[in-house]
Amino acid sequence: TQLLEQSPQFLSIQEGENLTVYCNSSSVFSSLQWYRQEPGEGPVLLVTVVTGGEVKKLKRLTFQFGDARKDSSLHITAAQTGDTGLYLCAGVYQTGANNLFFGTGTRLTVIP
Amino acid sequence: KAGVTQTPRYLIKTRGQQVTLSCSPISGHRSVSWYQQTPGQGLQFLFEYFSETQRNKGNFPGRFSGRQFSNSRSEMNVSTLELGDSALYLCASSLEGYLGGEAFFGQGTRLTVV
Repeated sequence: TQLLEQSPQFLSIQEGENLTVYCNSSSVFSSLQWYRQEPGEGPVLLVTVVTGGEVKKLKRLTFQFGDARKDSSLHITAAQTGDTGLYLCAGVYQTGANNLFFGTGTRLTVIP
Repeated sequence: KAGVTQTPRYLIKTRGQQVTLSCSPISGHRSVSWYQQTPGQGLQFLFEYFSETQRNKGNFPGRFSGRQFSNSRSEMNVSTLELGDSALYLCASSLEGYLGGEAFFGQGTRLTVV
């Protein structure tokens, strides 16, 4: 069974602080995506990364794909209360079925 | 353009009953996938349909089944419901499937089995 672990599982920070969420696997991804999910809603895609070492920025969010394409990180600068939510990484593995495997999730709470 | 629509939003069923959930993908999208989300297990892949054919299947018992129609709308059926089937069921649509493509999720159907 392929496992996609995220850390930390829970994160509570003050508004204005920085944070990093990690997503790790022992297998290689052909592509990896990050989603944010708010209560009562489905996940919303934030970014897709496909190249090892790739870095993508989305305003205050920076996404990095590991060189070996087995891990990824999401860094948020100067967190805002609107960043509160469940952050999920999801990957398509290089070998095996072409479906998305989701990580265990990181529940972020930004306190005003 | 309209997003992914799932109906119903909420459902309460009794153990042993069966249930059918519906998903209308974004117009033009041919791939529809279903996921089960629970607090303990997170998001788990059920199956994917593409052009009316099941293309991928997760590790769920045969009580979970689905189908896709010619207009790409999809239904998911769960028979002989168990308490553990209580979950948020999410449907995602994409143009061609998860080969690096973008997936759009519906709001989900919250199923409670009592």
